Formats: sequence, structure tokens, C-alpha cells
Amino acid sequence: NAGVTQTPKFQVLKTGQSMTLQCAQDMNHNSMYWYRQDPGMGLRLIYYSASEGTTDKGEVPNGYNVSRLNKREFSLRLESAAPSQTSVYFCASSEGQGLYTEAFFGQGTRLTVV
Amino acid sequence: DQQVKQNSPSLSVQEGRISILNCDYTNSMFDYFLWYKKYPAEGPTFLISISSIKDKNEDGRFTVFLNKSAKHLSLHIVPSQPGDSAVYFCAATLYNQGGKLIFGQGTELSVKP
Repeated sequence: NAGVTQTPKFQVLKTGQSMTLQCAQDMNHNSMYWYRQDPGMGLRLIYYSASEGTTDKGEVPNGYNVSRLNKREFSLRLESAAPSQTSVYFCASSEGQGLYTEAFFGQGTRLTVV
Repeated sequence: DQQVKQNSPSLSVQEGRISILNCDYTNSMFDYFLWYKKYPAEGPTFLISISSIKDKNEDGRFTVFLNKSAKHLSLHIVPSQPGDSAVYFCAATLYNQGGKLIFGQGTELSVKP
């Protein structure tokens, strides 16, 4: 009963390095999301994928790219990490758009950029 | 421009008493509201939700109230238990937006034995 699985759980990057955060869900959900959480703030949407094959920008997309690899997997890439990207990143999934349904979240990836 | 606001960063309540967490929103188009609970080093977990056609929804010890005219919702926990100590996030969305949630800043609830 894994739900939403994120890897890695922790990561330290140097400024300018790149990395990809991985996310997979086993609930056969259509929609997937990447959020970031910063101290004193709620979660903010970075990118989302309403369905397999589609991706769209959220509230704070700058500095990130995403790939919806298949229905299960949605990755987030930082091409050139900056200290402002130090945050906790959460992947989530939901049944889909046009439904009153909750999103299910992974455990998070704590990223520090030095 | 914070569309969803939780103005109390923290709340401390005695075990057995009622906890009331508040949330205000500015976008009158929001039609679905959710509360999430978050423990340290874990992801948020869904707690309870309410659609805009209702003004109350109950699930065990948890009740959410929605006042659309005031653009305000609240979460009541009765009775409060030490295990309820966590950060609670209010979130809002539109029916056709699915899991694209707009979150408040969170309220840290501490329930003391």
C-alpha cells in the first residue's frame, strides 16, 4: 500500500548542479503534482500533469522542468540549482480534474542548495 | 496575494477540549475546501473536506464549517487528543481543477495532556 513514493528523501546540491526528483504513484491516478513548502508558507504548486502526456505550469515554475514519464511517474528536474530552491518538495496525485477529490502526498524530499 | 489565509500560526489546547482552527479565503470562485494534517518529516495527509453547496461536514471528532458569505471556514476537533498535535493546512480549489490546491500557511496545533 505504497501510495505516492518520492526519491530521494534528502539531497544537498551545490549551486549550479542539476538533479531530478522522482515520484511514482500506484493508485492509478490520472493527475500528478509537484509542490514546494517553505518555512512559514503553505505548499505552492510548481507544475502539474492533469493526465498522462500533459504538463502545465503552476504558481512557481521558474527554474524547474517536469516529465510525465507514464501514468505512474512524474519527475521534477532542477537544471541549475540555486539557493532559493532550498525547500521541501512534495509530489502528489489525485484521481483527476473535474472531480471533488483529495490529493495524496508523498513523504517529501528535503533539498538544500549551498 | 494570499488567496487562502490561516492567520494563527499556532494554537495550544488542553487534552479533551475543543480545538478550533480558522481559515479565510478571498476567491469567491473556490468551491471545494480541504483540511490536511502534517506531522514533521511526513507528507500532508487528507483529513476532511467540504464542497461549497454545504455548510457543515462531520467525520468522527472532526467537523468543518463553511461560511460562504464571510469566505471563512473552520475545523473543529472535539475532543482534542495529544496525537492531534500537528500542523493543519487549509486548502481550496475549483471543481474543474482537481488536485491543484491553494494552501494556507498552516496552523501548528499543540494538544497538551
